[in-house]
Amino acid sequence: GAGVSQSPRYKVTKRGQDVTLRCDPISSHATLYWYQQALGQGPEFLTYFNYEAQPDKSGLPSDRFSAERPEGSISTLTIQRTEQRDSAMYRCASSLGQGTDTQYFGPGTRLTVL
Amino acid sequence: AQSVTQLDSHVSVSEGTPVLLRCNYSSSYSPSLFWYVQHPNKGLQLLLKYTSAATLVKGINGFEAEFKKSETSFHLTKPSAHMSDAAEYFCVVSESLRRGFKTIFGAGTRLFVKA
Repeated sequence: GAGVSQSPRYKVTKRGQDVTLRCDPISSHATLYWYQQALGQGPEFLTYFNYEAQPDKSGLPSDRFSAERPEGSISTLTIQRTEQRDSAMYRCASSLGQGTDTQYFGPGTRLTVL
Repeated sequence: AQSVTQLDSHVSVSEGTPVLLRCNYSSSYSPSLFWYVQHPNKGLQLLLKYTSAATLVKGINGFEAEFKKSETSFHLTKPSAHMSDAAEYFCVVSESLRRGFKTIFGAGTRLFVKA
Protein backbone atom coordinates (compact mmCIF):
# COMPACT_ATOMS: atom_id res chain seq x y z
CA GLY A 1 0.00 0.00 0.00
CA ALA A 2 0.89 3.67 -0.14
CA GLY A 3 1.57 3.92 3.58
CA VAL A 4 1.56 1.87 6.74
CA SER A 5 -1.93 1.10 8.01
CA GLN A 6 -3.02 -0.25 11.37
CA SER A 7 -6.31 -1.60 12.64
CA PRO A 8 -8.26 -1.07 14.70
CA ARG A 9 -7.45 2.57 15.41
CA TYR A 10 -9.04 2.30 18.85
CA LYS A 11 -9.64 -0.75 21.02
CA VAL A 12 -11.28 -0.88 24.42
CA THR A 13 -11.21 -4.18 26.24
CA LYS A 14 -11.71 -5.57 29.70
CA ARG A 15 -8.91 -6.83 31.85
CA GLY A 16 -8.18 -10.49 31.16
CA GLN A 17 -9.33 -10.46 27.53
CA ASP A 18 -7.02 -11.17 24.60
CA VAL A 19 -6.53 -8.56 21.89
CA THR A 20 -4.96 -8.72 18.44
CA LEU A 21 -3.66 -5.67 16.62
CA ARG A 22 -2.91 -5.63 12.93
CA CYS A 23 -0.28 -3.83 10.84
CA ASP A 24 -0.12 -3.63 7.06
CA PRO A 25 3.31 -2.26 6.02
CA ILE A 26 4.39 -0.51 2.86
CA SER A 27 4.37 -3.29 0.28
CA SER A 28 8.03 -3.13 -0.77
CA HIS A 29 9.37 -3.01 2.80
CA ALA A 30 11.23 -5.98 4.20
CA THR A 31 11.36 -4.89 7.82
CA LEU A 32 8.47 -4.30 10.21
CA TYR A 33 8.66 -2.95 13.75
CA TRP A 34 6.30 -2.79 16.72
CA TYR A 35 6.52 -0.12 19.41
CA GLN A 36 4.58 0.64 22.58
CA GLN A 37 4.05 4.29 23.49
CA ALA A 38 2.74 5.17 26.93
CA LEU A 39 1.08 8.53 27.46
CA GLY A 40 3.67 11.30 27.63
CA GLN A 41 6.53 9.05 26.58
CA GLY A 42 8.39 8.24 23.40
CA PRO A 43 7.77 4.95 21.59
CA GLU A 44 9.58 1.95 23.07
CA PHE A 45 10.78 -0.89 20.86
CA LEU A 46 8.95 -4.20 21.24
CA THR A 47 10.08 -6.43 18.38
CA TYR A 48 10.85 -6.46 14.68
CA PHE A 49 10.62 -8.75 11.65
CA ASN A 50 12.84 -9.12 8.63
CA TYR A 51 10.34 -10.63 6.22
CA GLU A 52 8.88 -13.48 8.31
CA ALA A 53 11.90 -13.92 10.57
CA GLN A 54 11.76 -12.32 14.02
CA PRO A 55 15.40 -11.71 15.01
CA ASP A 56 14.74 -9.60 18.10
CA LYS A 57 11.97 -10.01 20.68
CA SER A 58 13.91 -8.37 23.46
CA GLY A 59 11.46 -5.52 23.95
CA LEU A 60 8.36 -7.62 24.54
CA PRO A 61 7.45 -6.88 28.18
CA SER A 62 6.20 -10.37 29.07
CA ASP A 63 5.27 -13.70 27.56
CA ARG A 64 1.69 -12.41 27.25
CA PHE A 65 2.90 -10.44 24.23
CA SER A 66 3.55 -12.17 20.93
CA ALA A 67 3.82 -11.10 17.31
CA GLU A 68 3.88 -12.84 13.99
CA ARG A 69 4.35 -12.09 10.32
CA PRO A 70 3.77 -15.48 8.68
CA GLU A 71 4.01 -14.45 5.03
CA GLY A 72 6.43 -11.60 5.41
CA SER A 73 3.81 -8.93 4.88
CA ILE A 74 0.97 -8.22 7.34
CA SER A 75 1.82 -8.59 11.00
CA THR A 76 -0.24 -9.06 14.13
CA LEU A 77 0.58 -8.26 17.74
CA THR A 78 -1.37 -10.26 20.28
CA ILE A 79 -1.65 -9.48 23.97
CA GLN A 80 -3.12 -12.27 26.07
CA ARG A 81 -4.87 -11.76 29.40
CA THR A 82 -4.64 -8.00 29.11
CA GLU A 83 -3.83 -5.90 32.16
CA GLN A 84 -4.49 -2.21 32.79
CA ARG A 85 -0.78 -1.44 32.45
CA ASP A 86 -0.99 -2.62 28.80
CA SER A 87 -3.03 0.51 27.98
CA ALA A 88 -0.96 2.47 25.48
CA MET A 89 -0.61 3.47 21.85
CA TYR A 90 0.82 0.62 19.80
CA ARG A 91 2.73 1.80 16.76
CA CYS A 92 3.87 -0.16 13.75
CA ALA A 93 6.56 0.98 11.32
CA SER A 94 8.22 -0.47 8.25
CA SER A 95 11.49 0.15 6.42
CA LEU A 96 13.01 -0.92 3.15
CA GLY A 97 16.02 -2.58 4.76
CA GLN A 98 17.21 -3.31 8.26
CA GLY A 99 19.31 -1.51 10.77
CA THR A 100 19.35 2.24 10.55
CA ASP A 101 17.04 2.64 7.56
CA THR A 102 14.31 5.24 7.85
CA GLN A 103 11.19 3.85 9.49
CA TYR A 104 7.75 4.89 8.24
CA PHE A 105 5.05 4.81 10.85
CA GLY A 106 1.37 3.96 10.80
CA PRO A 107 -1.27 5.95 12.71
CA GLY A 108 -1.18 3.62 15.71
CA THR A 109 -3.77 1.66 17.69
CA ARG A 110 -4.89 3.20 20.97
CA LEU A 111 -5.54 0.31 23.42
CA THR A 112 -7.48 0.94 26.61
CA VAL A 113 -7.80 -1.86 29.15
CA LEU A 114 -10.56 -1.31 31.69
CA ALA B 1 25.07 1.97 25.79
CA GLN B 2 22.65 4.02 23.76
CA SER B 3 20.52 6.77 25.21
CA VAL B 4 18.65 9.84 24.02
CA THR B 5 17.87 12.87 26.18
CA GLN B 6 15.53 15.58 25.02
CA LEU B 7 16.37 18.39 27.37
CA ASP B 8 12.98 20.13 27.37
CA SER B 9 9.62 18.44 27.76
CA HIS B 10 7.83 21.62 26.60
CA VAL B 11 8.94 24.60 24.51
CA SER B 12 6.79 27.64 23.85
CA VAL B 13 7.59 30.22 21.16
CA SER B 14 5.76 33.03 19.42
CA GLU B 15 4.89 32.73 15.76
CA GLY B 16 7.71 34.08 13.62
CA THR B 17 10.44 33.55 16.22
CA PRO B 18 13.17 30.87 16.09
CA VAL B 19 12.67 27.34 17.35
CA LEU B 20 15.32 25.31 19.19
CA LEU B 21 14.58 21.77 20.38
CA ARG B 22 17.53 20.18 22.14
CA CYS B 23 18.69 16.57 21.94
CA ASN B 24 21.74 14.86 23.40
CA TYR B 25 22.62 11.26 22.75
CA SER B 26 25.11 8.62 23.70
CA SER B 27 26.17 5.87 21.36
CA SER B 28 28.92 3.31 21.26
CA TYR B 29 29.45 3.39 17.53
CA SER B 30 28.46 5.62 14.63
CA PRO B 31 24.76 6.25 14.99
CA SER B 32 22.11 7.41 12.61
CA LEU B 33 20.05 10.21 14.10
CA PHE B 34 16.51 11.23 13.26
CA TRP B 35 13.90 13.77 14.19
CA TYR B 36 10.24 12.80 13.89
CA VAL B 37 7.15 14.97 14.40
CA GLN B 38 3.82 13.78 15.73
CA HIS B 39 0.71 15.86 15.17
CA PRO B 40 -2.42 15.02 17.20
CA ASN B 41 -4.15 11.85 15.99
CA LYS B 42 -1.54 11.38 13.28
CA GLY B 43 1.35 8.96 12.82
CA LEU B 44 4.99 9.89 13.31
CA GLN B 45 6.41 11.75 10.33
CA LEU B 46 10.11 11.91 9.49
CA LEU B 47 11.51 15.46 9.57
CA LEU B 48 15.14 14.69 8.82
CA LYS B 49 17.90 12.11 9.12
CA TYR B 50 21.66 12.22 9.75
CA THR B 51 23.80 9.36 8.46
CA SER B 52 27.45 10.53 8.66
CA ALA B 53 27.38 12.67 5.54
CA ALA B 54 27.03 16.46 6.01
CA THR B 55 26.78 17.46 9.66
CA LEU B 56 24.09 20.05 8.91
CA VAL B 57 20.96 18.25 7.79
CA LYS B 58 18.03 19.99 6.15
CA GLY B 59 14.57 18.56 6.55
CA ILE B 60 11.01 19.28 5.60
CA ASN B 61 9.04 22.41 6.52
CA GLY B 62 12.17 24.53 7.02
CA PHE B 63 13.62 22.48 9.86
CA GLU B 64 17.29 21.60 10.12
CA ALA B 65 19.57 19.91 12.64
CA GLU B 66 23.31 19.95 13.23
CA PHE B 67 25.23 16.88 14.31
CA LYS B 68 27.98 17.86 16.78
CA LYS B 69 30.01 14.83 17.72
CA SER B 70 32.14 16.68 20.29
CA GLU B 71 29.00 17.74 22.14
CA THR B 72 27.02 14.55 21.35
CA SER B 73 24.15 16.78 20.32
CA PHE B 74 21.65 16.87 17.48
CA HIS B 75 19.53 19.94 18.12
CA LEU B 76 16.59 20.77 15.86
CA THR B 77 16.12 24.36 14.71
CA LYS B 78 13.85 26.46 12.52
CA PRO B 79 14.38 30.18 11.85
CA SER B 80 10.73 31.18 12.07
CA ALA B 81 7.95 29.23 13.78
CA HIS B 82 4.56 28.76 12.18
CA MET B 83 1.33 27.89 13.96
CA SER B 84 1.25 24.58 12.09
CA ASP B 85 4.55 23.58 13.76
CA ALA B 86 2.76 23.00 17.07
CA ALA B 87 3.24 19.28 17.70
CA GLU B 88 5.38 16.78 19.58
CA TYR B 89 8.93 16.18 18.36
CA PHE B 90 11.02 13.07 18.95
CA CYS B 91 14.77 12.69 18.64
CA VAL B 92 15.80 9.14 17.71
CA VAL B 93 19.15 7.35 17.66
CA SER B 94 19.68 4.13 15.77
CA GLU B 95 22.85 2.13 15.46
CA SER B 96 23.96 -1.18 14.02
CA LEU B 97 25.29 -3.59 16.63
CA ARG B 98 27.42 -6.67 16.24
CA ARG B 99 24.14 -8.57 16.11
CA GLY B 100 21.22 -6.61 14.82
CA PHE B 101 20.58 -3.00 15.65
CA LYS B 102 18.93 -0.82 18.26
CA THR B 103 16.59 2.17 17.94
CA ILE B 104 15.81 4.45 20.89
CA PHE B 105 13.38 7.35 21.03
CA GLY B 106 13.69 10.34 23.30
CA ALA B 107 10.79 11.19 25.59
CA GLY B 108 9.61 13.94 23.25
CA THR B 109 9.36 17.73 23.32
CA ARG B 110 5.99 19.37 22.91
CA LEU B 111 6.21 22.60 20.93
CA PHE B 112 3.61 25.31 21.53
CA VAL B 113 3.36 28.23 19.09
CA LYS B 114 1.63 31.40 20.26
CA ALA B 115 -0.01 33.81 17.84
